[in-house]
Amino acid sequence: QQKVQQSPESLTVSEGAMASLNCTFSDGTSNNFRWYRQHSAKGLEVLVSIFSDGEKEEGRFTAHLNRANLHVSLHIREPQPSDSAVYLCAVKDTNAYKVIFGKGTHLHVLP
Amino acid sequence: EAAVTQSPRNKVAVTGGKVTLSCNQTNNHNNMYWYRQDTGHGLRLIHYSYGAGSTEKGDIPDGYKASRPSQENFSLILELATPSQTSVYFCASGDPQAYSGNTLYFGEGSRLIVV
Repeated sequence: QQKVQQSPESLTVSEGAMASLNCTFSDGTSNNFRWYRQHSAKGLEVLVSIFSDGEKEEGRFTAHLNRANLHVSLHIREPQPSDSAVYLCAVKDTNAYKVIFGKGTHLHVLP
Repeated sequence: EAAVTQSPRNKVAVTGGKVTLSCNQTNNHNNMYWYRQDTGHGLRLIHYSYGAGSTEKGDIPDGYKASRPSQENFSLILELATPSQTSVYFCASGDPQAYSGNTLYFGEGSRLIVV
């Protein structure tokens, strides 16, 4: 089964500075990756989906995928205090019905 | 817009009692999922379903049952609740059929405390 790990566990940035979050996975055959955001133990919302190596941008959120390196990252441009939340990496498992989540990165954006 | 609603949103249960968490989706998605979220563990899959009448075990199914009586509804049942099942439970729906499918749409969560 796919193993998904995220780093760092916690990240503090100043408003306007770039925030970069990392996710590594164990099986490079997956082609279905997403980043979700969760505010204060509420439901998750999808930010960006990426299905092939390279870059995918959705507004201020950009995902970079490198399956050879088993790595997918999320970059948040000009983060705002309202972006303070937990960010979770999700990888579709080889079992088509299962999605495996990382434990999340707590992002704190200081005004 | 996709909508997944869970009930109850908050529940206090007694050890040994029965708890049913309900989930309804209006997305017409085939797949539905139950996760629990705990500090230090992240989101862990309990049960999932790929259509009405089907239920499948996830990664941590012990102590839980699931029921999918219709496309819209998916329930999680704790027959004999234990304090270790104190957690926040999330229901989600998704459609994995398309290549780009499997975006999951989550409910707001159900906070369960077992005393």
